[in-house]
Amino acid sequence: GAVVSQHPSRVICKSGTSVKIECRSLDFQATTMFWYRQFPKQSLMLMATSNEGSKATYEQGVEKDKFLINHASLTLSTLTVTSAHPEDSSFYICSARGVGNQPQHFGDGTRLSIL
Amino acid sequence: AQSVTQLDSQVPVFEEAPVELRCNYSSSVSVYLFWYVQYPNQGLQLLLKYLSGSTLVKGINGFEAEFNKSQTSFHLRKPSVHISDTAEYFCAVSETGYSTLTFGKGTMLLVSP
Repeated sequence: GAVVSQHPSRVICKSGTSVKIECRSLDFQATTMFWYRQFPKQSLMLMATSNEGSKATYEQGVEKDKFLINHASLTLSTLTVTSAHPEDSSFYICSARGVGNQPQHFGDGTRLSIL
Repeated sequence: AQSVTQLDSQVPVFEEAPVELRCNYSSSVSVYLFWYVQYPNQGLQLLLKYLSGSTLVKGINGFEAEFNKSQTSFHLRKPSVHISDTAEYFCAVSETGYSTLTFGKGTMLLVSP
């Protein structure tokens, strides 16, 4: 089945650091990628949707300058949390879908902890 | 706008017992419905989906769900659970196929021996 790889799985860093998370589709071309944030014991909240070669569409309340998304190729999207602070600590999950009416395939998530 | 309600935040059951996880949705148009499972510190895995056709949908790991349009429900069932079924289960709805998913808050299924 379709595989989405997310890296790193866990990041612990100091406040003020910028952190980059990668999301790769390993065996299909991902025309659309999604970035979600999940707080403990909560559901997934969609942060943004990105189409290859286009600017990401951010959900209401998500700061685009804080959460930079790049989807430069059909197999890679990155989320950069700029100048991270403790309140940015969360579980971030990406998903990817291919051409046509294809289901979203999820990565294993990244646990981000800001000290 | 679409929304999903999972009334039970936690469902404890004994191994080999049947289980039902409830999901109700709200939408002004036709919807696609999904159930995902999430194991600790992992992403989501699709269990099953309803797009159209038969209202009884069978998925992986012995799970099934029934779409009930009049009750706007899509409850997940398994006749006999295993310890390994312990996980968080999310119901999701989309009005546009697989594009934008709206998730419920999740139900933690706790299976004990």
